[in-house]
Amino acid sequence: GIQVEQSPPDLILQEGANSTLRCNFSDSVNNLQWFHQNPWGQLINLFYIPSGTKQNGRLSATTVATERYSLLYISSSQTTDSGVYFCAVTKAAGNKLTFGGGTRVLVKP
Amino acid sequence: GAVVSQHPSWVICKSGTSVKIECRSLDFQATTMFWYRQFPKQSLMLMATSNEGSKATYEQGVEKDKFLINHASLTLSTLTVTSAHPEDSSFYICSARPTDYNEQFFGPGTRLTVL
Repeated sequence: GIQVEQSPPDLILQEGANSTLRCNFSDSVNNLQWFHQNPWGQLINLFYIPSGTKQNGRLSATTVATERYSLLYISSSQTTDSGVYFCAVTKAAGNKLTFGGGTRVLVKP
Repeated sequence: GAVVSQHPSWVICKSGTSVKIECRSLDFQATTMFWYRQFPKQSLMLMATSNEGSKATYEQGVEKDKFLINHASLTLSTLTVTSAHPEDSSFYICSARPTDYNEQFFGPGTRLTVL
């Protein structure tokens, strides 16, 4: 099956700092989503981004499908940005989301 | 829009009992729903794909007789953990994909503890 790798596995930031999270995948995809899992376990949809660039407030994402990677940018981080960020993909013509291992982010005040 | 609910949010049961978890898409129809399991500090693992009106498709290593899935309508899928044992304790999360869309939306999860 498709492999999804996220880096770094852990990230500690000072409030106000910027950061970049990376997601590499091993095959062509027709769906790529970024999620933030909050402390209660709820997965919040951040971006649906099989290709191109999107921005939503302090967050933005870019997927370069031909090179099989996606990046999530967090700017001016806040303590509420803490949690686990997951990238998940669906193979082209597929149905199932495969999750990466996640990046655990801690933003310190 | 695109809200998915799960019930119950947590459940504690005795070993050997069965537990049913409901997953509902509140404001859209979903031909396909998915069930995941997540252990502490790990990623989500897909257990099965639930298709409205047909049998679920289980991932390799998931016992279909233990984890019964029913997708009786376009807005409701249920997961029943039969004869639960302590090793079934986990966080179970469902997702739903609106018909004709690729994006999936997740429920808040159900924390199951089997004593």
